[in-house]
Amino acid sequence: DGGITQSPKYLFRKEGQNVTLSCEQNLNHDAMYWYRQDPGQGLRLIYYSQIVNDFQKGDIAEGYSVSREKKESFPLTVTSAQKNPTAFYLCASSIDLGDTFNQPQHFGDGTRLSIL
Amino acid sequence: AQSVTQPDIHITVSEGASLELRCNYSYGATPYLFWYVQSPGQGLQLLLKYFSGDTLVQGIKGFEAEFKRSQSSFNLRKPSVHWSDAAEYFCAVGFNNDMRFGAGTRLTVKP
Repeated sequence: DGGITQSPKYLFRKEGQNVTLSCEQNLNHDAMYWYRQDPGQGLRLIYYSQIVNDFQKGDIAEGYSVSREKKESFPLTVTSAQKNPTAFYLCASSIDLGDTFNQPQHFGDGTRLSIL
Repeated sequence: AQSVTQPDIHITVSEGASLELRCNYSYGATPYLFWYVQSPGQGLQLLLKYFSGDTLVQGIKGFEAEFKRSQSSFNLRKPSVHWSDAAEYFCAVGFNNDMRFGAGTRLTVKP
């Protein structure tokens, strides 16, 4: 079955460390997204990518970085510059018909990041 | 500023009762509208979407939603709630290369 796989499900970070969250999809989708979810705030967009080797900042990109070297993969690195990284992180993908954000998104099951 | 509002943070209904979850948006034109459901510790699953045409759309799991242009609303409904419907529900709006999610409504189902 096609879908999106996020790993690990739980991740712990020490102060000053960078950590990388994995996101892989086999849906053949062009567009991929990273969201941060905090209680009572819905989803906020960190980064998105419409095509390989290209990505754009979302609303809260500071302290995060991404890469898109393959169509299937869109890893997110939470850097030490992100001062409040504890959150639930969701990766999503969608087809891209030239109107990226107007298509339904398929989500992974998320990674919960906590600070030790 | 463009925004999506889900006025109800938490709703409790009895099993078998009807359900309506509210969603309002503030956009100048008709956007693309979505409802998603999220079970604890999981990702979001698409329930239904509205792009154009018939303003009453049917989704999965017995849900439906009605688009009302005059009220800038896209409310989600279900005639008879099951215990398994307990989850968090998110309205999302896509417009002009941007997507916004509401803050979510948590649904509790009483036996």
